[in-house]
Amino acid sequence: DAMVIQNPRYQVTQFGKPVTLSCSQTLNHNVMYWYQQKSSQAPKLLFHYYDKDFNNEADTPDNFQSRRPNTSFCFLDIRSPGLGDAAMYLCATSREGQGAPQHFGDGTRLSIL
Amino acid sequence: KQEVTQIPAALSVPEGENLVLNCSFTDSAIYNLQWFRQDPGKGLTSLLLIQSSQREQTSGRLNASLDKSSGRSTLYIAASQPGDSATYLCAVGVYGQNFVFGPGTRLSVLP
Repeated sequence: DAMVIQNPRYQVTQFGKPVTLSCSQTLNHNVMYWYQQKSSQAPKLLFHYYDKDFNNEADTPDNFQSRRPNTSFCFLDIRSPGLGDAAMYLCATSREGQGAPQHFGDGTRLSIL
Repeated sequence: KQEVTQIPAALSVPEGENLVLNCSFTDSAIYNLQWFRQDPGKGLTSLLLIQSSQREQTSGRLNASLDKSSGRSTLYIAASQPGDSATYLCAVGVYGQNFVFGPGTRLSVLP
């Protein structure tokens, strides 16, 4: 089945130690999104790629970076995680153009020690 | 800036009841609205997508309506089952902003 796959499902890292989360898709969608969701809160968009064009949200912290080496893969890098970065990180894809639905992966839950 | 709210924050009903979840948004200039389901510790599963030109969409026991002028959408669940227990989120597609999510309604259906 075509889908959005996130690895790992659970990630534990130490305060200040860089961590990378990955997302892959078999839908061949142009747009890929990264969201941060804290407990009982709405998902918050961090950034998105339209093909290779990177779009950062204005309030996304500087220690959050992203890479999209090809259509299928997208990575979220957190350079120096703080305790406040513990959250669920959700990857989503959509076809180009407004009006297209988003398809989500199962998320990666990040814990900071 | 678009803001999305969902009322109630939590809802508990006995099995078999019909129920309505509400989603409100402040700016009616949207291009679509999507309803999602989220199980604990999981990602979001898309339930229904309503384009701005549509008034409702149906899938099985689910019916979603959209009233852009009043900034509201409702998700109607017929004959609720314990397996419907989850958090339900709505998200509006905003011109120039991508999707803005509501905080969700946590639904418990009691057997």
